[in-house]
Parts: sequence; C-alpha cells; structure tokens
Amino acid sequence: KAGVTQTPRYLIKTRGQQVTLSCSPISGHRSVSWYQQTPGQGLQFLFEYFSETQRNKGNFPGRFSGRQFSNSRSEMNVSTLELGDSALYLCASSLGRGDTEAFFGQGTRLTVV
Amino acid sequence: AQSVSQHNHHVILSEAASLELGCNYSYGGTVNLFWYVQYPGQHLQLLLKYFSGDPLVKGIKGFEAEFIKSKFSFNLRKPSVQWSDTAEYFCAVNRYGGSQGNLIFGKGTKLSVKP
Repeated sequence: KAGVTQTPRYLIKTRGQQVTLSCSPISGHRSVSWYQQTPGQGLQFLFEYFSETQRNKGNFPGRFSGRQFSNSRSEMNVSTLELGDSALYLCASSLGRGDTEAFFGQGTRLTVV
Repeated sequence: AQSVSQHNHHVILSEAASLELGCNYSYGGTVNLFWYVQYPGQHLQLLLKYFSGDPLVKGIKGFEAEFIKSKFSFNLRKPSVQWSDTAEYFCAVNRYGGSQGNLIFGKGTKLSVKP
C-alpha cells in the first residue's frame, strides 16, 4: 500500500514569508501528526489531528498551525518564518488508536534564508 | 517535564559486534515505549514497541529491547550487528493508552557499522 506522502520534499523560503506543507496519510488512517526535526533539538512534536480535530499540541508558538481535511489529508502552515524554523518537517499517520503503529513520511526539508 | 535521554550520540562498531543503545525516560505515569530507526535517506520506521506484558520485546531484524521499570530504561540490543544496521536510532515514549501520534523522542544515536 502507498505510504505517507509529503510535499514538497524541499523548500527554500525567505525570513518573514509563510509556508504550507502537505501530508497525505496512508489510506484509512485518520490520525496525522507533525514533527520538527533539527540537529540540535532532535524530533519535537508539533500537533496531532484526528478526524479534522486537533487532538494534541506541542510546545510551539502560534506561528505554527495546521488543519486536517475530511479525506484525512493534512496541511501545516508556518507564518512569519524565522531562520530557526529551518528543519526537516515529518508527518506521521496512524489509525489513531494507541495500540497502532505510526508510519512516517520522508519529510519536507525547509530552509529559511 | 516529560523527556527521553539517549546516552550515546554516535556509536561505531565492527560487524558481528554486539550492540546496546541506552534509553532512559522521565514521564509521570504508565508509558508506551518505542524504538524507531532511520536508515540513510529513508523515513523513520518502527523497530519495536512495548505496551505491557513481557518486558523483553523482540522487534524486526533481530533487535530486542528490555523495559526495566525501576530504572526507567528501555535499552535496545542486538547480539551481532551488520553493516546494513548503519542508521540513526530513536527511542520514544508516550502515555499508556495515548495516541501514537503524540510521541516524545530522544535525540537519537547514530550507529556506524564498519564492514
């Protein structure tokens, strides 16, 4: 079956701009989570959506937001980009129950210049 | 605050050597525990998980991990590594009964296996 698809794979943006990243989960998965991966901080949880509702949120500023559509696809938006937002953004999908595995996409590499 | 510590940043081994990667967590309450692996250029994959029951968990590719509740540890082991095990390994935790969508990760351990 098709895996988790993230688009675009690479992105270069300028400070102050905003960016939208997209994630298509595995068919049938209703939970989508987003993580930020940086060399210094490692993998940090951003938020989780389940059936179009935000279920959990990590400790990130309000510039980071997301949403989930009725087909479970999710988008993540970062406004007023800062240099420190440069990172690999990972999306994971699962059925949503605690005993099910989360599958990760290959990520979107965002570079802010 | 909830956190996961991985003791080694980079481990270098020769093929056939035994592997043990340390993981300690700080979390108030019962937890689920995971090890993920990221091979070069590939996405994160689940190696193994612990929810309850036998504290010795076996995963894919010959990996196993032992949950020691008194030590808040979940160390990953493999008796004999191969060159193909070269990857970055991440320990993760979440609340027991919680969604796997809300994981707290350690900072990872890079494993380099010399042929």
